[in-house]
Amino acid sequence: AQKITQTQPGMFVQEKEAVTLDCTYDTSDQSYGLFWYKQPSSGEMIFLIYQGSYDEQNATEGRYSLNFQKARKSANLVISASQLGDSAMYFCAMRGTGFQKLVFGTGTRLLVSP
Amino acid sequence: DSGVTQTPKHLITATGQRVTLRCSPRSGDLSVYWYQQSLDQGLQFLIQYYNGEERAKGNILERFSAQQFPDLHSELNLSSLELGDSALYFCASSPGGGGPYEQYFGPGTRLTVT
Repeated sequence: AQKITQTQPGMFVQEKEAVTLDCTYDTSDQSYGLFWYKQPSSGEMIFLIYQGSYDEQNATEGRYSLNFQKARKSANLVISASQLGDSAMYFCAMRGTGFQKLVFGTGTRLLVSP
Repeated sequence: DSGVTQTPKHLITATGQRVTLRCSPRSGDLSVYWYQQSLDQGLQFLIQYYNGEERAKGNILERFSAQQFPDLHSELNLSSLELGDSALYFCASSPGGGGPYEQYFGPGTRLTVT
């Protein structure tokens, strides 16, 4: 079974600063995928970034990068140059081998202040 | 805009009633997933369909059922509704039934059972 742990219920950051949202995972699968989603107050789930377990490079998408440390089973999301519009809930999720369902963490609420 | 559509956006109904939630996947995507987001359970996988066939089942109650039609749209039927069924129901889609595919989420249907 897969498990995702997000230990930061809330994070605060000032505009233009970088912030790291923590995510650790547990799985016995050799092949798996890790995802980050953003959920603004409007409710939709917005896909941000994906990292495969066999990818050697850390994934990056614009201001988002995923700091993947396989041995430590961590997949932290780094947002560079935070913007006010980044204020939202952020969910880490994973998918195991042969299973397409996503298992989600409990989320981290990020608040970006001016 | 993820390309996944869900209707209705909001639904208010009474206990004991039955409702149908509808989802149209992104063009070309064959897999549809249903998730439930509630305050006490977080984001939970309910069920997956791939090209019209049920592929995986999660924590879906017996009172709930789903299907995927030949045009690939999907419906989630919730019956004998209880107060605890109040939640945000998401549909997501991906191109395949397996493999390293991202899942793109629809805007969700917010169900309130009174």
